[in-house]
Amino acid sequence: AQSVTQPDIHITVSEGASLELRCNYSYGATPYLFWYVQSPGQGLQLLLKYFSGDTLVQGIKGFEAEFKRSQSSFNLRKPSVHWSDAAEYFCAVGVNYKLSFGAGTTVTVRA
Amino acid sequence: KAGVTQTPRYLIKTRGQQVTLSCSPISGHRSVSWYQQTPGQGLQFLFEYFSETQRNKGNFPGRFSGRQFSNSRSEMNVSTLELGDSALYLCASSADRQNTEAFFGQGTRLTVV
Repeated sequence: AQSVTQPDIHITVSEGASLELRCNYSYGATPYLFWYVQSPGQGLQLLLKYFSGDTLVQGIKGFEAEFKRSQSSFNLRKPSVHWSDAAEYFCAVGVNYKLSFGAGTTVTVRA
Repeated sequence: KAGVTQTPRYLIKTRGQQVTLSCSPISGHRSVSWYQQTPGQGLQFLFEYFSETQRNKGNFPGRFSGRQFSNSRSEMNVSTLELGDSALYLCASSADRQNTEAFFGQGTRLTVV
């Protein structure tokens, strides 16, 4: 069965600093890969997705992610974090019409 | 274009009761999925429907059921509620058959007392 691992439960970053969130997946083939963000009390918003092709994908809100097949990773990055980026971030794998999510990484932004 | 609408937003039920949650997908979307989110188990897949057919089901007991109507609206039902069913239930819709991009509603917060 596919699985998704987000090694970092909580990350604190200063406003204006860069951010990288890690994601590793386990699956036989290359699945659909996604990053979602969730603000408190809200649903999930799609940041970006990867299906095939260029391994560096751009998303909304200035986020990007890089797919590395050799490492089974799909890490999310943002060059300069804004206070509004404080939220919980989920990496997900899409297979057989369902999403399997990682446990999530909570991002705190300090002034 | 309206997003995914889930009703009600909040619900309090007593153990042993049953509950029905509703999801209206984005207009034109034919795939609807349901997820349960809890602090302990995270986000877990419940089921997915496309054109009224259930295509995949998660590892939940039979007390959890769902259906999709011809207008793509979906409902999920939980019978004989347990305290552990307290969770945020999220619905997502997708436009394509492969379910490649899911748009989530704000969820229904169910509290079982």
